[in-house]
Amino acid sequence: DTEVTQTPKHLVMGMTNKKSLKCEQHMGHRAMYWYKQKAKKPPELMFVYSYEKLSINESVPSRFSPECPNSSLLNLHLHALQPEDSALYLCASSQDPGLAPNNEQFFGPGTRLTVL
Amino acid sequence: ILNVEQSPQSLHVQEGDSTNFTCSFPSSNFYALHWYRWETAKSPEALFVMTLNGDEKKKGRISATLNTKEGYSYLYIKGSQPEDSATYLCAPPTMEYGNKLVFGAGTILRVKS
Repeated sequence: DTEVTQTPKHLVMGMTNKKSLKCEQHMGHRAMYWYKQKAKKPPELMFVYSYEKLSINESVPSRFSPECPNSSLLNLHLHALQPEDSALYLCASSQDPGLAPNNEQFFGPGTRLTVL
Repeated sequence: ILNVEQSPQSLHVQEGDSTNFTCSFPSSNFYALHWYRWETAKSPEALFVMTLNGDEKKKGRISATLNTKEGYSYLYIKGSQPEDSATYLCAPPTMEYGNKLVFGAGTILRVKS
């Protein structure tokens, strides 16, 4: 299984809602990532988990809260988001937690989030 | 902050044409360069990871070269097909974290049949 899955595919939420995005991989990868992609822009890194521990937080606002319950699963908890947070949220995983430069990342299809 | 530039921004070619585009990155402290293909409504897919100056990699009709001394990589597509239509992204990792990719803005390729 060489797939990264993400649920839901689409999410519409209000600014007072709490929701979660889910990402799963069964490739035995030890690093997992959250990216945010706005229209006509490249993906921007938000968080990196290495061996289930948060290793990079790119100064993301606290209304985004990542969680890695186990090596296969990565969640992104959303609370009190703003309309400007509307974007495509991509999850990725890679085998080696960052030491190798040839650390190919495998991406999921993304969750399209709209904040009203 | 890594400055990664891709050109052209978009490209429209006819089926059967060969094409190429460029990724420019800082040549100092080069670490590696990743190329990804991102088709609409699909996941970004890794094409190549290049690490050595002079590297040339090939996957079917797509190939890439790397010049780390001058800080650029070329991606070539021979005999473009409609299914090659996608956004092509390059991304060098940063020195401090090998798994932190900094993506260029991408080149959008549209192949008309």
